[in-house]
Amino acid sequence: AQTVTQSQPEMSVQEAETVTLSCTYDTSESDYYLFWYKQPPSRQMILVIRQEAYKQQNATENRFSVNFQKAAKSFSLKISDSQLGDAAMYFCAYMNTGFQKLVFGTGTRLLVSP
Amino acid sequence: SQTIHQWPATLVQPVGSPLSLECTVEGTSNPNLYWYRQAAGRGLQLLFYSVGIGQISSEVPQNLSASRPQDRQFILSSKKLLLSDSGFYLCAWSRQDLLAKNIQYFGAGTRLSVL
Repeated sequence: AQTVTQSQPEMSVQEAETVTLSCTYDTSESDYYLFWYKQPPSRQMILVIRQEAYKQQNATENRFSVNFQKAAKSFSLKISDSQLGDAAMYFCAYMNTGFQKLVFGTGTRLLVSP
Repeated sequence: SQTIHQWPATLVQPVGSPLSLECTVEGTSNPNLYWYRQAAGRGLQLLFYSVGIGQISSEVPQNLSASRPQDRQFILSSKKLLLSDSGFYLCAWSRQDLLAKNIQYFGAGTRLSVL
């Protein structure tokens, strides 16, 4: 079974600075999808960014980018120019291509200070 | 545009009482539907998913059941709640077509406390 590990329970960053959240996963599949979801205090899950395993190019969405290392099974999220609104729980998630089941990590709480 | 609604937002129920949580999706047809549970300090765990009316698959054995009586309606139920059923329940949907990019969209969730 696939597993997702987020080893950082909490991270802190100052406004305008850059922070990187780590995620590793375990799978025997060669084709799959990886996601980062944000869960603000409202607790609604919001998609931040998505990566397809067959693509070597790292995904980017405005201030959010990933470092996808397929051989190392690593999928980190970099947030540039951090804003107070970025404060939330961030979850890394994995999905097989044949089945839309998301497997989530335990999350990293991001604190943003002025 | 598509929207997903969950209710109630908060629920406090005694042990042994029944449960019914409802989720509806608007603005799309024939969506995949999902129920997840988030225990305190944990990630989300998939409980049930559905690819069509009356088609329900369970991911983990538990005290809960799910039904899909209409195309865009997904219901999570229990006949008798246990203390361990407490948690945050999230409904999600995704498109079935190839352009869907496997993205799941989540509702606002229901916080269930069983006392």
